[in-house]
Amino acid sequence: KNEVEQSPQNLTAQEGEFITINCSYSVGISALHWLQQHPGGGIVSLFMLSSGKKKHGRLIATINIQEKHSSLHITASHPRDSAVYICAVEGGGADGLTFGKGTHLIIQP
Amino acid sequence: EAQVTQNPRYLITVTGKKLTVTCSQNMNHEYMSWYRQDPGLGLRQIYYSMNVEVTDKGDVPEGYKVSRKEKRNFPLILESPSPNQTSLYFCASSWGGRGVYEQYFGPGTRLTVT
Repeated sequence: KNEVEQSPQNLTAQEGEFITINCSYSVGISALHWLQQHPGGGIVSLFMLSSGKKKHGRLIATINIQEKHSSLHITASHPRDSAVYICAVEGGGADGLTFGKGTHLIIQP
Repeated sequence: EAQVTQNPRYLITVTGKKLTVTCSQNMNHEYMSWYRQDPGLGLRQIYYSMNVEVTDKGDVPEGYKVSRKEKRNFPLILESPSPNQTSLYFCASSWGGRGVYEQYFGPGTRLTVT
């Protein structure tokens, strides 16, 4: 079973800062997901990656398949970016996703 | 609007009283799944369904049942709830399984078992 590690667990930054959240996994995968969970609890899919890089607005996600590592970047961070960011990978032998424990991000004004 | 709905959103119940959490999606997705989220443990899969009448256990299936009689619905049944099933539950759907399709999550159901 894949082991998914995220870092940091908690991150507090000032508005405008460039944010990086990291995710590493132990077994080769076909797809990696970045999810966002707001304080109200709902989960939204941000990106699904199998290679390279994707960009959506101020969010950028990259993946290095050889190194089994992905990063989520937020440029010009804003208080509304405050949320828990969760990395998940397709489960290999199991059908479904294996999740990291999440990174709790707080952006202060 | 494409969405996954869950009901109820909040539920407080007592040990042993059977309950059902409903999940419905309007995207004609084949794959549906239930997860529970606990502090320090993250999200863990309970059961999943690849299609109608096809269900299988995830990582933490003990104490739960599911059924998939229609493509759009995937209810989670707790026949005899216990306090260790107090958790935040999410239903999710996607076009297919194996985690290689975008996942759509329901709003969550916060369950407390006393």
